[in-house]
Amino acid sequence: GAGVSQSPSNKVTEKGKDVELRCDPISGHTALYWYRQSLGQGLEFLIYFQGNSAPDKSGLPSDRFSAERTGGSVSTLTIQRTQQEDSAVYLCASSLVASGVSDTQYFGPGTRLTVL
Amino acid sequence: AQTVTQSQPEMSVQEAETVTLSCTYDTSESDYYLFWYKQPPSRQMILVIRQEAYKQQNATENRFSVNFQKAAKSFSLKISDSQLGDAAMYFCAYRSAQGAQKLVFGQGTRLTINP
Repeated sequence: GAGVSQSPSNKVTEKGKDVELRCDPISGHTALYWYRQSLGQGLEFLIYFQGNSAPDKSGLPSDRFSAERTGGSVSTLTIQRTQQEDSAVYLCASSLVASGVSDTQYFGPGTRLTVL
Repeated sequence: AQTVTQSQPEMSVQEAETVTLSCTYDTSESDYYLFWYKQPPSRQMILVIRQEAYKQQNATENRFSVNFQKAAKSFSLKISDSQLGDAAMYFCAYRSAQGAQKLVFGQGTRLTINP
């Protein structure tokens, strides 16, 4: 079946602009995760959604970052007033459930964000 | 907080040979999961192998196997009969069995396969 998809694949923006990154998880997966991969910081967790529970936002680096998940499926990560240090690959992952044997996270191809 | 360390930024191996990638982690938890992910140039992270901490038996997936040493907090990946398609970044990752569901990643090891 279809895997996790992300759009756009690449995004170039100017400093100070807002950007939206989209993630379509695997159908039926209840858990969705966002990670950021940058040269300086490696792979770091941003936010996690599980069903209708309140999201775990503990990894968001600043209040310029926000994310929502509509209808328990598609998620959008929004970065306001982008800065050059936001340049990174943003990875989305989903899992069938959040714990137990079926909790393997499957990743999308990522969105490469470049802030000029 | 949990940390994961991969001490080998780069490794190389001859095609058909065996290579071992190292990973150590730090945690005070007794129940957790460990993973090896592969990231080829396409950027997509692919799960290679998974180990539950409560299992003493080392996980194996075809040419990939792990050496899980819980007391030493070590989790190495062995790739046998290396193939050109194995060339990629390899990331070791930790996940708690309770509470936070996020993956904590190591810095990665870039594996090159020499023909």
